[in-house]
Amino acid sequence: EDQVTQSPEALRLQEGESSSLNCSYTVSGLRGLFWYRQDPGKGPEFLFTLYSAGEEKEKERLKATLTKKESFLHITAPKPEDSATYLCAGPDNTDKLIFGTGTRLQVFP
Amino acid sequence: TAGITQAPTSQILAAGRSMTLRCTQDMRHNAMYWYRQDLGLGLRLIHYSNTAGTTGKGEVPDGYSVSRANTDDFPLTLASAVPSQTSVYFCASSPDRTTGELFFGEGSRLTVL
Repeated sequence: EDQVTQSPEALRLQEGESSSLNCSYTVSGLRGLFWYRQDPGKGPEFLFTLYSAGEEKEKERLKATLTKKESFLHITAPKPEDSATYLCAGPDNTDKLIFGTGTRLQVFP
Repeated sequence: TAGITQAPTSQILAAGRSMTLRCTQDMRHNAMYWYRQDLGLGLRLIHYSNTAGTTGKGEVPDGYSVSRANTDDFPLTLASAVPSQTSVYFCASSPDRTTGELFFGEGSRLTVL
């Protein structure tokens, strides 16, 4: 069964304290791994697409990486405005996205 | 730029009543989707449309119906609401069915009593 699992469920960081979020997947024949950011009361917003193992993408303090079995979202020196829920997703065999349940990140000043 | 517009933003509905959630996009995207988001379960696909005139069932389609009469509009109808349909509903679109870069609306919060 295609599945996307994220950990941890929640993460509390002090401003400037770097960390990583994990996304593991069992989607067969992976055709892309996608990261989204969701702010409270808002719809998810696309961040990155990763297609092959070893690929990396960066945006401000965020860097997404991909291996054959999992993806990491590294947050370097986070700021309070990075607080959000981060979702990852992968397409099933009909190209429909399967989403993980997300990691809720809180960054305190 | 509007992107995806959903209405209503919030609604309280008596069980057994019908309800249509509206979704309109102005990006001329071919593919559109309806997801529901529940605490601990994440986003689950209800129905999708790869192009105007076609629709398909997602992971949790029971109790919901959709139509895609044109490119821009993709309404979701609950024919007879039940409390388990209490959720936040998100409409999304993408240029085509193969891309995982979806554009989401702001959501419609539905409470069924």
